[in-house]
Amino acid sequence: GEDVEQSLFLSVREGDSSVINCTYTDSSSTYLYWYKQEPGAGLQLLTYIFSNMDMKQDQRLTVLLNKKDKHLSLRIADTQTGDSAIYFCAERTSGTYKYIFGTGTRLKVLA
Amino acid sequence: DADVTQTPRNRITKTGKRIMLECSQTKGHDRMYWYRQDPGLGLRLIYYSFDVKDINKGEISDGYSVSRQAQAKFSLSLESAIPNQTALYFCATSASLRGDTQYFGPGTRLTVL
Repeated sequence: GEDVEQSLFLSVREGDSSVINCTYTDSSSTYLYWYKQEPGAGLQLLTYIFSNMDMKQDQRLTVLLNKKDKHLSLRIADTQTGDSAIYFCAERTSGTYKYIFGTGTRLKVLA
Repeated sequence: DADVTQTPRNRITKTGKRIMLECSQTKGHDRMYWYRQDPGLGLRLIYYSFDVKDINKGEISDGYSVSRQAQAKFSLSLESAIPNQTALYFCATSASLRGDTQYFGPGTRLTVL
């Protein structure tokens, strides 16, 4: 069945790189999303990638997709305290509305 | 100004009370969604609407109802609130002709005592 899995916690030091991982199960043409949720706020779309791509970079964010292993990662370079948040991975099969969300990874950035 | 707004942002109520959560959007999107977020469970879809006359149940619709009053407004009602409906509720919107990427409101924290 459909499932998206993430580890629950990640802790990094300010200035280091953070890598948040996600695995998914849908093998169809798929959109894969990363959302950021800061305390008391909604989900903010960070970036997304289509399953025919291997990588997407946007400033400090790099998304890597390993289609064979159905593994998605979000790398944040030069992590700052303002990056502390919960990061959600989600997948959506192309042509459908339905999102499958992971449980979220809480990133804590230590000064 | 926020594109997707939700009211109220916080609400505490008692078991058995009827509660309405409201969502408005200025993005011009045709599709709207209601989710609930519980710790460790991610987001689960309650109801969704593809346009004013098209409303559908999501995976956890029991105990909830919705109304799409206009393209820009989608409200969620708890007819008789119970404690296990304590959660964070999010509204989201998407445009079917622009890839269906979902954009979220700031959330409503509901506590049922």
